[in-house]
Amino acid sequence: GDSVTQMEGPVTLSEEAFLTINCTYTATGYPSLFWYVQYPGEGLQLLLKATKADDKGSNKGFEATYRKETTSFHLEKGSVQVSDSAVYFCALSPNTGFQKLVFGTGTRLLVSP
Amino acid sequence: NAGVTQTPKFQVLKTGQSMTLQCAQDMNHNSMYWYRQDPGMGLRLIYYSASEGTTDKGEVPNGYNVSRLNKREFSLRLESAAPSQTSVYFCASSEKGTGTEAFFGQGTRLTVV
Repeated sequence: GDSVTQMEGPVTLSEEAFLTINCTYTATGYPSLFWYVQYPGEGLQLLLKATKADDKGSNKGFEATYRKETTSFHLEKGSVQVSDSAVYFCALSPNTGFQKLVFGTGTRLLVSP
Repeated sequence: NAGVTQTPKFQVLKTGQSMTLQCAQDMNHNSMYWYRQDPGMGLRLIYYSASEGTTDKGEVPNGYNVSRLNKREFSLRLESAAPSQTSVYFCASSEKGTGTEAFFGQGTRLTVV
């Protein structure tokens, strides 16, 4: 079945450091890919998405590119802030049948001043 | 605009007790979902409802039942709670279609003792 694998955390960075969180997927066909973010005590909210190969999703300085050849959707940000501390989830939604989300295990990011 | 509202936010149950988690959305979405979040396991789909009047099992349905009461409301029932059901439960909703965003409630933290 469909699955998402993302790097274990926590990822600990200093403010203004470069961030990469790796995500790879296994799916039939060409799913839509998402990054969701969960701030402490809150539900998940969409950070960015890409619906076809080579698309780049971006939001709030975060970017991720849909790479079909490597089945990856790595999240990057050039300069993290303390306020980016959260748990980040990579997810996919198949493009056939019912489009329910399949999540990775989540990566906690801790940014210190 | 409330989005997705879950009640209660916190609950402690004794083993064998029953309870119903309530979820309502005001975005006129067709599809609704129940997930559970456990450390190191990401979010796992319990049940979903593709549209009003239909419900289907997800990845981990055992021990749960659901009711899609109308287009707005989707409840999750634990008939006889077990310690293994200690978790954070999230309700979500989305419109149908490829790459559509899911909107999440703030979660219910359930402890079964």
